[in-house]
Amino acid sequence: NAGVTQTPKFRVLKTGQSMTLLCAQDMNHEYMYWYRQDPGMGLRLIHYSVGEGTTAKGEVPDGYNVSRLKKQNFLLGLESAAPSQTSVYFCASRTLRGHSYEQYFGPGTRLTVT
Amino acid sequence: DQQVKQNSPSLSVQEGRISILNCDYTNSMFDYFLWYKKYPAEGPTFLISISSIKDKNEDGRFTVFLNKSAKHLSLHIVPSQPGDSAVYFCAARSSGSARQLTFGSGTQLTVLP
Repeated sequence: NAGVTQTPKFRVLKTGQSMTLLCAQDMNHEYMYWYRQDPGMGLRLIHYSVGEGTTAKGEVPDGYNVSRLKKQNFLLGLESAAPSQTSVYFCASRTLRGHSYEQYFGPGTRLTVT
Repeated sequence: DQQVKQNSPSLSVQEGRISILNCDYTNSMFDYFLWYKKYPAEGPTFLISISSIKDKNEDGRFTVFLNKSAKHLSLHIVPSQPGDSAVYFCAARSSGSARQLTFGSGTQLTVLP
């Protein structure tokens, strides 16, 4: 099991450029999440999905879009990157079953917008 | 408004001694709490959790204590080891927003040999 994987690991964008971050999980988890981590801010939820074809906004959704066309994949898009989106992005997933609310995280994508 | 607060950005402890990491919360609907550990250039990994119906949960060297009346939880690591040096995040689940976790800002623990 690879768990949660993220592509790419690093990326540098110019202001106004677009890109898509890919998250994949092989644990058959129903829920998937995108977070950003900034110094002193902890992990803040951008968007999440409770199943294939469904997405919902988190705490900081502006400037991002997401899609979940397949259960195992969750894509995060930046249509017009801004320097304020320089951050480390983490994807996570969790199962709907059981009583654990544990989320499993990917290794992160470090994005710099110049 | 931060609903989960970790007021100490950093903590240094001597190897073999106890590490105590603290977390305060404001939302009374939080009913499940988790601690995550994060090494540089890696994603956070789950460490230990506690339900609000308990006041203590133990797993090896790690113990989490919950004081609901004070809206405070703490993570104790005994004995501390250099490999425990990492950023520790406290997270909480709300019964009103069950699908999400709210994270604190993290505490960098350094265990000195």
